[in-house]
Amino acid sequence: AQSVAQPEDQVNVAEGNPLTVKCTYSVSGNPYLFWYVQYPNRGLQFLLKYITGDNLVKGSYGFEAEFNKSQTSFHLKKPSALVSDSALYFCAVSVLILTTDSWGKFQFGAGTQVVVTP
Amino acid sequence: DAGVTQSPTHLIKTRGQHVTLRCSPISGHKSVSWYQQVLGQGPQFIFQYYEKEERGRGNFPDRFSARQFPNYSSELNVNALLLGDSALYLCASRLTGGNGYTFGSGTRLTVV
Repeated sequence: AQSVAQPEDQVNVAEGNPLTVKCTYSVSGNPYLFWYVQYPNRGLQFLLKYITGDNLVKGSYGFEAEFNKSQTSFHLKKPSALVSDSALYFCAVSVLILTTDSWGKFQFGAGTQVVVTP
Repeated sequence: DAGVTQSPTHLIKTRGQHVTLRCSPISGHKSVSWYQQVLGQGPQFIFQYYEKEERGRGNFPDRFSARQFPNYSSELNVNALLLGDSALYLCASRLTGGNGYTFGSGTRLTVV
């Protein structure tokens, strides 16, 4: 079984300060990890993914995430937060179904609300 | 290019009724998945379809069903609606060989 934990319901940060959103996971086999962002009354927007390779993954809008296998973590980071980064962030883990070259179900965390104040 | 489109955007139904939600994937995407997002929670997996066949089913009752058509669009059907079915229903599609899913904006279902 696969699971994702986002230990913080909300993260508050001042504009211009570094932003970190935490995520830990549990999965059998190789983890495939994703971050999505959700703005009010909207669907999920893809930020970045870790499939294999470098542990530091760079994504959209200046976000990056660091995969740490020993700590089973995949924290999302941004060096300098913007007010427009205020949104709900979801970490997700999935597995690749090799027989169909298709992703299996995504297991999402409960989400972390990011509030960036001017 | 058009993204994943879902219809309707909002819907109000009465307990016991039936509802059909529709999803058009991005052109060329053959894999479609459905998720339910209850307010304040992360999305929960309902179904996955690939090449018109069901490839995965989440922990939802038999009142929930889905299908994928030859043009890869998909429908999610929910029978005998309960108040607890009120949620944002998200559809996502993926290109074979691609990474990750592209999500639509969802259908907001309210059951009264």
